[in-house]
Amino acid sequence: AQSVTQLDSQVPVFEEAPVELRCNYSSSVSVYLFWYVQYPNQGLQLLLKYLSGSTLVESINGFEAEFNKSQTSFHLRKPSVHISDTAEYFCAVINNGGSQGNLIFGKGTKLSVKP
Amino acid sequence: KAGVTQTPRYLIKTRGQQVTLSCSPISGHRSVSWYQQTPGQGLQFLFEYFSETQRNKGNFPGRFSGRQFSNSRSEMNVSTLELGDSALYLCASSLGGQLASYEQYFGPGTRLTVT
Repeated sequence: AQSVTQLDSQVPVFEEAPVELRCNYSSSVSVYLFWYVQYPNQGLQLLLKYLSGSTLVESINGFEAEFNKSQTSFHLRKPSVHISDTAEYFCAVINNGGSQGNLIFGKGTKLSVKP
Repeated sequence: KAGVTQTPRYLIKTRGQQVTLSCSPISGHRSVSWYQQTPGQGLQFLFEYFSETQRNKGNFPGRFSGRQFSNSRSEMNVSTLELGDSALYLCASSLGGQLASYEQYFGPGTRLTVT
């Protein structure tokens, strides 16, 4: 069965420091990959996605993620974080080309940015 | 465009009761998926509806059911509530179609507390 592993449940960092949130998936088929962010008491917001093309994808607020097929990874990075980036981040996959529309989520990584 | 809306936002029920949650997708979106989010199990897929038909189902007991109306609005019902059903229930909409429902957009969720 397909699964997603987020290696770190909590990541504390200082403001303006770089951060990497790790995500690995297990799948024998081609997949699409997503990162979602969840702020307290809110739903999930799509942060960025990899569907095809360039393996490096970027969000409008400075995050980027790189799809690495050989390592089955899709790590999320930001060179300089802000207090407002404090949230929980979820990595998710969906099978490419199937008719099943369910996302498989990792357990989430809580990013805590300290001043 | 208006986003995904879910009603009610908060709900308190007693064990043994039943509950119905509602989700209105983004205009033009035909697929609606439901997820349960708990601290212990994380985000788990419940089911997906497309054009009023259940297209995909997760591993939940039959007490959990849903339906979709001709305007794509969806409802989720849980009968004979148990304490373990306390969770945030998230609805996500996507364009849908014959291929997998990529790029799912989430609502704010309904927080269900069972006492």
